[in-house]
Amino acid sequence: KNQVEQSPQSLIILEGKNCTLQCNYTVSPFSNLRWYKQDTGRGPVSLTIMTFSENTKSNGRYTATLDADTKQSSLHITASQLSDSASYICVVRISSGNTPLVFGKGTRLSVIA
Amino acid sequence: DTAVSQTPKYLVTQMGNDKSIKCEQNLGHDTMYWYKQDSKKFLKIMFSYNNKELIINETVPNRFSPKSPDKAHLNLHINSLELGDSAVYFCASSQVYGLLQETQYFGPGTRLLVL
Repeated sequence: KNQVEQSPQSLIILEGKNCTLQCNYTVSPFSNLRWYKQDTGRGPVSLTIMTFSENTKSNGRYTATLDADTKQSSLHITASQLSDSASYICVVRISSGNTPLVFGKGTRLSVIA
Repeated sequence: DTAVSQTPKYLVTQMGNDKSIKCEQNLGHDTMYWYKQDSKKFLKIMFSYNNKELIINETVPNRFSPKSPDKAHLNLHINSLELGDSAVYFCASSQVYGLLQETQYFGPGTRLLVL
């Protein structure tokens, strides 16, 4: 069964600290993995997209890693800001079939001053 | 300019009613989607249209019917609303369906509450 599991479910950190969010997937055949940021009351916004051959990808203070062998990804946020408070959703794309995207349930990050 | 817009932003209605949610994108994209996000924040795809043609139709009740009058619009009509339909509905678009790294752009969501 195609599944995407994220951990932790929620996280609270102090402003300026770093944090890492985890994503494990059992999706096959794998095409790519995406991280989305969803602010409260808004639609998701794409942060990174990584294919099978990419191990790491950065977007500003966000760095995503992918280990296709262990089927794990992480999203590392450096020097967190209050505006980083949001839900972070891991999404894996399947390369065949009618349901191309499998969504995780997200990690709710709260950055406090 | 808003890339993907949805109306209304909030919708409160009674069980049994019929309602529509509208979506428009001004990005010139070929593909549009409807997602449902439940109270546990889990996003699930409902429909996808590519160039006005249905390409994904997940297992949703046939009370839900998408309508695409043109490439820039994908509306969602819901008949005989039920309590379990309460959720946030997101519209999204992408440039090309099936492209390996196509990015989906999401609208702001429509918060539907069925009483």
